[in-house]
Amino acid sequence: DAGITQSPRHKVTETGTPVTLRCHQTENHRYMYWYRQDPGHGLRLIHYSYGVKDTDKGEVSDGYSVSRSKTEDFLLTLESATSSQTSVYFCAITPAEGRGSPLHFGNGTRLTVT
Amino acid sequence: EDQVTQSPEALRLQEGESSSLNCSYTVSGLRGLFWYRQDPGKGPEFLFTLYSAGEEKEKERLKATLTKKESFLHITAPKPEDSATYLCAVQGGNAGKSTFGDGTTLTVKP
Repeated sequence: DAGITQSPRHKVTETGTPVTLRCHQTENHRYMYWYRQDPGHGLRLIHYSYGVKDTDKGEVSDGYSVSRSKTEDFLLTLESATSSQTSVYFCAITPAEGRGSPLHFGNGTRLTVT
Repeated sequence: EDQVTQSPEALRLQEGESSSLNCSYTVSGLRGLFWYRQDPGKGPEFLFTLYSAGEEKEKERLKATLTKKESFLHITAPKPEDSATYLCAVQGGNAGKSTFGDGTTLTVKP
C-alpha cells in the first residue's frame, strides 16, 4: 500500500452540481496526479501538481480544477458536473526524481453523474 | 505527443499456456516504460520499469522486455491468479507525467 487514500470511494450526483474529490498521501511525495479511466480510453491525465500551489493541466482538463494547499492533499473539483464526467477517478503519486519513476495509485473514486 | 498502443485488447489462456502481450509506443525522450497490473475495482499496481532498449526485468511468471519501438510482457505457465488487466505506460520529458495504453485484459482458465 503506497499510502494513498481517495474519498469518497463512490458518489452519485446530479448534473450541474459541484463535486470535490480528495486525495490524501502519507508518503510526502512531490508529484500528485489525477487521472480518469473510461472504457475504450484507458487512463487519461486531468491535472497534476509538482508542489504546494503548483499545478498544471493534463490532456483532459476542461471542466475540472484542482488545488493543493498542503503536500499531502490534492483536490479535484468538478465545478458543474456533466454526464460526460461519469468515470472512475484515480489519484497517483511519485517522487519523480531522476530517471522515470513509476506512479503509485489509490483505489479510485467511482463518480456517476445523473 | 506520446502514444501507447497495446495488443491484444483481450487474451484468454488455459492455465500453463504461455503467451505475450505487446506495447507499441512513440515518445519524445523516453525516461521510462512501465508495466502495471490492475484488478477489478482497484488502482493499477506497479510491476516493472524499463529504461533502455535491450533491458529485461523478471518477476515470478512475468518477464518484460524493451526495444526502441515496443515492449513485451511475457507470461510463462500462467495461473488463474494472473488474470487481470495489464497496462503499459511511457514517461517522456519531466514532471513524471505518464501516457497509458488501453490495456490488455488477461483471463487464465484452470
